[in-house]
Amino acid sequence: DTEVTQTPKHLVMGMTNKKSLKCEQHMGHRAMYWYKQKAKKPPELMFVYSYEKLSINESVPSRFSPECPNSSLLNLHLHALQPEDSALYLCASSQEAYLETQYFGPGTRLLVL
Amino acid sequence: RKEVEQDPGPFNVPEGATVAFNCTYSNSASQSFFWYRQDCRKEPKLLMSVYSSGNEDGRFTAQLNRASQYISLLIRDSKLSDSATYLCVVNSGSNDYKLSFGAGTTVTVRA
Repeated sequence: DTEVTQTPKHLVMGMTNKKSLKCEQHMGHRAMYWYKQKAKKPPELMFVYSYEKLSINESVPSRFSPECPNSSLLNLHLHALQPEDSALYLCASSQEAYLETQYFGPGTRLLVL
Repeated sequence: RKEVEQDPGPFNVPEGATVAFNCTYSNSASQSFFWYRQDCRKEPKLLMSVYSSGNEDGRFTAQLNRASQYISLLIRDSKLSDSATYLCVVNSGSNDYKLSFGAGTTVTVRA
């Protein structure tokens, strides 16, 4: 079973709101990722967690705050977002980081008003 | 120069046709190569990994040419359900866990 789940599927928020995106996998994968994808563009890496520790932060603004409570869960906390942050936010996981196939969740479609 | 480059297409082909397209990568140290397909407003889904010897999965054949730094995907006997964007994905070749995504090649199969 190569399933990554994400909630919510859709999210509309104002620029002053605080919200969180959630991602879960039960494949025993030790690497988890957040990507941002704009329309007609490829996914852009935001964060990588390996063994529950943040390994890569691709210079993402601090209004995005990742959290990995345990090996199965990955959160992305959102605060004071801008309209240009509207995008599809994809979570992915892989057995290990580096060289491994990544499996994507269905994404959260975020609209910032 | 982009790390991964793809012909954006679109490739419009009739059902039953064969369609093939390439992807070039710039980092000669890259070691892992993948094709993902992405349907409109959906997540990327792994289609196949690409191995040095080339590999086939049903109607799909992937090839890797390390000397010229490109990978290819060939789809035989195209089905309507093959209409999608195909993303070429290459690892960075260094120990930093990154995958580089091409912008995608759009394939439309018509009845």
